[in-house]
Parts: sequence; structure tokens; C-alpha cells
Amino acid sequence: GAVVSQHPSRVICKSGTSVKIECRSLDFQATTMFWYRQFPKKSLMLMATSNEGSKATYEQGVEKDKFLINHASLTLSTLTVTSAHPEDSSFYICSARVGWDNEQFFGPGTRLTVL
Amino acid sequence: AQTVTQSQPEMSVQEAETVTLSCTYDTSESDYYLFWYKQPPSRQMILVIRQEAYKQQNATENRFSVNFQKAAKSFSLKISDSQLGDAAMYFCAYRSDTSGTYKYIFGTGTRLKVLA
Repeated sequence: GAVVSQHPSRVICKSGTSVKIECRSLDFQATTMFWYRQFPKKSLMLMATSNEGSKATYEQGVEKDKFLINHASLTLSTLTVTSAHPEDSSFYICSARVGWDNEQFFGPGTRLTVL
Repeated sequence: AQTVTQSQPEMSVQEAETVTLSCTYDTSESDYYLFWYKQPPSRQMILVIRQEAYKQQNATENRFSVNFQKAAKSFSLKISDSQLGDAAMYFCAYRSDTSGTYKYIFGTGTRLKVLA
């Protein structure tokens, strides 16, 4: 099956700093990439949808200025958490959509801890 | 708006036995897809099974099968011959391609424990 990677797998940062998370589709070109946030023992909540070369579409309640998404190529999307605070600590998961099937393949996730 | 409901926060099953996880959804669309995903402690989302709404036949994948009741908007997952490796969080998900967004809507999940 299609493989999606995320980097880093975990990151610890100080409050007020920015953190960038990369999502890559390794063996296919992704028409669309999605970013989810998952709190402990909770479900995945969609944050935004990004298409290559265009602005991301954010879900209601997600601050676009705090969570910057860049989708520069068909194999790479990045999520930057700006001016991170402890409440941004969470597990962030990306997925990539395969064009011919519309199925999403998920990355392994990134655990962000803001001190 | 579409919603997905999993009413069982936690389920337990004895090894080698059968367990059924429930999922209901609400939609006004006629063409959509339903999925069951497994999330083990590693947190990697693993596709277990998918069902196209236009197909009447229930999907099966080895020990995993679904009971898809379109009129009742129900989509349950049956795991036969449960194994210790089946222990995980299971999420039901809905996807409609009508809007062109291909977004998934996830249920709240069911934690499955497998007892040896």
C-alpha cells in the first residue's frame, strides 16, 4: 500500500517557539493532504485540507494564523505551529489522498509537547 | 452535516471469540463510503475494511466483516476468532465524495480489549 511519512515523530519545544511538521507521500503523488489533531483517548479531528499549490481550507474553529499549512509539491505538506503554547500539545496526524481511489493513507503521527 | 456515532467506548472479548463493534451514521447523501480503522498503541491508523454504499453485499476481509444496513444507517464490524493483536482503538469513518472534499468524519472510537 501507499506509504506516508511524518517528521519528526516527536518534538518538545518551549512555549512561544514555532514548530514545523513534515508530511510526505513516499511512493505516490498525493492530490490532497489532510491534517488531523488527536487528543489522548479521543478521536481524530480534521484541522485542514490542503491541495498542492493552493491555500489550505481550515475547519471551523481552527486558527489559520496559528497552524500554517504549506503544500508546495504533490509529495510534501508542512504544518507549522506558530508561537506554540502548552495547550497546543497534542498528537498531529497527516494523511494523503490517492487521486484514483480517493482513499486516505495516514502518516504515523507526530507527538508535540510544548513546555 | 454528517455525523458518525460509536456508542461503545470500550469492549472486551475473549481470545478466539467473536465481537461486534457498532457504528451508526447520519447523512442525507446516497453515495458515500464507510470505513473501519484500527489504531494500535503505536497510533498508526490502519485500514481494516471499507464499504461502498452502493454495494449491497457486505464487505469481508479475512476475520473482519461488516453488517451494512443502509436504510438503518448502521455499519457494524464483526471480528471473528479474536487475537491478542486485535487489541486497539477502532474508529468508524464516513466519506462522501459528493462535495469534492473527500473528507473523513470519524466516530469517537471503541477501545477493544482482548482477554487471554
